[in-house]
Amino acid sequence: DVKVTQSSRYLVKRTGEKVFLECVQDMDHENMFWYRQDPGLGLRLIYFSYDVKMKEKGDIPEGYSVSREKKERFSLILESASTNQTSMYLCASSFPGGSKDFGAGTRLSVL
Amino acid sequence: GNSVTQMEGPVTLSEEAFLTINCTYTATGYPSLFWYVQYPGEGLQLLLKATKADDKGSNKGFEATYRKETTSFHLEKGSVQVSDSAVYFCALSDVNQAGTALIFGKGTTLSVSS
Repeated sequence: DVKVTQSSRYLVKRTGEKVFLECVQDMDHENMFWYRQDPGLGLRLIYFSYDVKMKEKGDIPEGYSVSREKKERFSLILESASTNQTSMYLCASSFPGGSKDFGAGTRLSVL
Repeated sequence: GNSVTQMEGPVTLSEEAFLTINCTYTATGYPSLFWYVQYPGEGLQLLLKATKADDKGSNKGFEATYRKETTSFHLEKGSVQVSDSAVYFCALSDVNQAGTALIFGKGTTLSVSS
């Protein structure tokens, strides 16, 4: 089974902090994705990556950056956390054109 | 641009009732279509998929048929169980863009009572 592991299930941070959300997959997938999930808005794509050191902006990249130094790891970075970034963050991975496998999610609260 | 529209919830049913969750899409090209399910406190899991017109995806008693003429991919189950209570997401992926992220609908919450 594909396993996508997100390092934290719950995080509480303060406004202005730099926040790192880590995601690791163990199936050698080329593609990795970060979404945020909010009530009434569904899932929205923040960033994705086709390969190591490659990244592409999704629909809502503002306030976020990403890092993909190794194929199996895709990090989402909030440079200066704000309260409107309180959300559920979901990481996913896949082969090109394949169905996505998701992690369990990280629920981030920014106070 | 590509988009997915699914019926708003919540959908509340009694055990053994018939379920339909409507999903329609707008897309260029020939997308693959997916249904994902999210159980409480968990991430999303692929429920079923269809990659071309008239394909039927099925899993765990759920079915959905890719209807190009009506641009629809409605999810159905003949007899729901309490354990089916979850949020269901319809999604599409444009096969002409390898690795393109899925475009999701907003999700439909299903609540099944015994």
